[in-house]
Amino acid sequence: EVQLVESGGVVVQPGGSLRLSCAASGFTFDDYAMHWVRQAPGKGLEWVSLITWDDGNTYYADSVKGRFTISRDNNRNSLYLQMNRLRPEDTALYYCAKAVAATGGLFDYWGQGTLVTVSS
Amino acid sequence: EIVMTQSPATLSVSPGERATLSCRASQSVGGNLAWYQQKPGQAPRLLIFGTSTRATGIPARFSGSGSATEFTLTVSSLQSEDFAVYYCQQYNNWPYTFGQGTKLEIK
Repeated sequence: EVQLVESGGVVVQPGGSLRLSCAASGFTFDDYAMHWVRQAPGKGLEWVSLITWDDGNTYYADSVKGRFTISRDNNRNSLYLQMNRLRPEDTALYYCAKAVAATGGLFDYWGQGTLVTVSS
Repeated sequence: EIVMTQSPATLSVSPGERATLSCRASQSVGGNLAWYQQKPGQAPRLLIFGTSTRATGIPARFSGSGSATEFTLTVSSLQSEDFAVYYCQQYNNWPYTFGQGTKLEIK
């Protein structure tokens, strides 16, 4: 059974930093691209970032480019999102999502999310 | 960036009836269109990919159609568990974009 478990969400002040983690199990982690997708309270879904299976390529939404960094550790079956220079508009539930292939933007499994609140 | 627009924002339908949800892309996404279902407090679930292919375990009452810029999700004979928010998403080009969602509610 595929499982994705996010962690690391907390309340942080504007301008602060945070690192989210996603622990994956139930599939061969290094065969697949992984994504972060976020959802602001009461709002829709926003794709944030993609990392390909081999860590070779990363992609970001314009809203986070230059502030967020996606990475993965295939030995630990883990995905990460380093979030710097956080803004109130980054407040959201952050989902880790598995892609259906080594690259690409179709997601077949999602975690339950971890809540990031940016507030003073 | 490809903008995805869903209509209507809210759709009220009685159980047992058919629901038709629409999604429009600002430019062609080919057949690379997916639909997700999200219930309150839950993560999204993949329903349809490649415009019309049901994901594993998705009942046959869910069907997708369309091409290029116009897409439709049809739920025939609505069941109580189908009332949720539905999002379309294009994965033809990054940044991958979602529609704003259609809330399917009980009439």
